[in-house]
Amino acid sequence: AQSVSQHNHHVILSEAASLELGCNYSYGGTVNLFWYVQYPGQHLQLLLKYFSGDPLVKGIKGFEAEFIKSKFSFNLRKPSVQWSDTAEYFCAVNIRHASGGSYIPTFGRGTSLIVHP
Amino acid sequence: NAGVMQNPRHLVRRRGQEARLRCSPMKGHSHVYWYRQLPEEGLKFMVYLQKENIIDESGMPKERFSAEFPKEGPSILRIQQVVRGDSAAYFCASSPSPIKIPDGYTFGSGTRLTVV
Repeated sequence: AQSVSQHNHHVILSEAASLELGCNYSYGGTVNLFWYVQYPGQHLQLLLKYFSGDPLVKGIKGFEAEFIKSKFSFNLRKPSVQWSDTAEYFCAVNIRHASGGSYIPTFGRGTSLIVHP
Repeated sequence: NAGVMQNPRHLVRRRGQEARLRCSPMKGHSHVYWYRQLPEEGLKFMVYLQKENIIDESGMPKERFSAEFPKEGPSILRIQQVVRGDSAAYFCASSPSPIKIPDGYTFGSGTRLTVV
């Protein structure tokens, strides 16, 4: 079955450390890829997205992600995290649920990031 | 341009009661997706609707749950005879089309349902 996997469920970093969150998906068709962030008690906000073109995507707040088609991966990176980056991060992929069916945004389980000041 | 509006933000129901969650998509968006979020489980897809049509309900429990998106008014997620296991945050997202989504999916602030 098509799925989205986020391998790091909990990440704890100190400020200024570099961040990389893994995201892999299992789907052979054309995909649109997203990373969303959810700050405590808030709704999901789009960090960045990939539809086509340059596989290195720049998003808001200094985040970037690289689409590696051969690895079915879309890892999120930030060179230097801040305390305010403490949040839940979700990878999402548009996946066609069934042959001829609709594309549905399918989410990974999420990664909880805590940044210590 | 208001975003996706969900209400109520918090809903408390006793076991056996009905819960109605409402979602008004962004202006110009006719595609609505409902998700349930449980701690440590991420977002689970429930149902995808367009105006007056259920497109994909593969994530909906077979019993007690239903959804609609009428021609006029918000999309409604209805849970009948709620049980404690229904306690969760329910999020709604909208998009202008199923595949052309230049700004991604827009999420509402969610409804936190607590069943006591």
